[in-house]
Amino acid sequence: DQQVKQNSPSLSVQEGRISILNCDYTNSMFDYFLWYKKYPAEGPTFLISISSIKDKNEDGRFTVFLNKSAKHLSLHIVPSQPGDSAVYFCAASAVQFYFGTGTSLTVIP
Amino acid sequence: NAGVMQNPRHLVRRRGQEARLRCSPMKGHSHVYWYRQLPEEGLKFMVYLQKENIIDESGMPKERFSAEFPKEGPSILRIQQVVRGDSAAYFCASSPGTLSGELFFGEGSRLTVL
Repeated sequence: DQQVKQNSPSLSVQEGRISILNCDYTNSMFDYFLWYKKYPAEGPTFLISISSIKDKNEDGRFTVFLNKSAKHLSLHIVPSQPGDSAVYFCAASAVQFYFGTGTSLTVIP
Repeated sequence: NAGVMQNPRHLVRRRGQEARLRCSPMKGHSHVYWYRQLPEEGLKFMVYLQKENIIDESGMPKERFSAEFPKEGPSILRIQQVVRGDSAAYFCASSPGTLSGELFFGEGSRLTVL
């Protein structure tokens, strides 16, 4: 039972444009949400997080939006850079952490 | 390096052998999580441990898999009588235990079963 879903396995964006990665969850008990970035043959690295009491959190080029009524989370990267090319996982937490299946982002120079 | 340390990075086993994967959490972290990533799939939760306690093992296969996090030493994920379907990358993550903290991941251990 996949409690956190990323329905787009891949996304291609031109350098300088906005990348929008989406994530849906089913468990209303989740109260903390995170995005991780993963390069091949490396472990995931933390990118940005948001608590359920907020609807937006921003850190430089990265902004995470949370829509609790829709159980939807999104990550905006603007402007996108070639170095952003990686697999992005969203995660949700109540006690332990559940991860989505990932979206592979390619930023085209 | 005070990060999460996993070893071995690569492990090759024949069918029927045992695999042991080790994870040393970040200094000061008392919570350890194990995840498995199969080819073309996301990170699947396996087990969540604190020192000497298994908190949630709902993601662990019922047979052949076990995990521990002893009072001293690293956390161990043990797979007995490995089969080809166990070939995957196994990631360990740790956290300090606060409910809203993030997980810090190791580089992963890639298990290949011949």
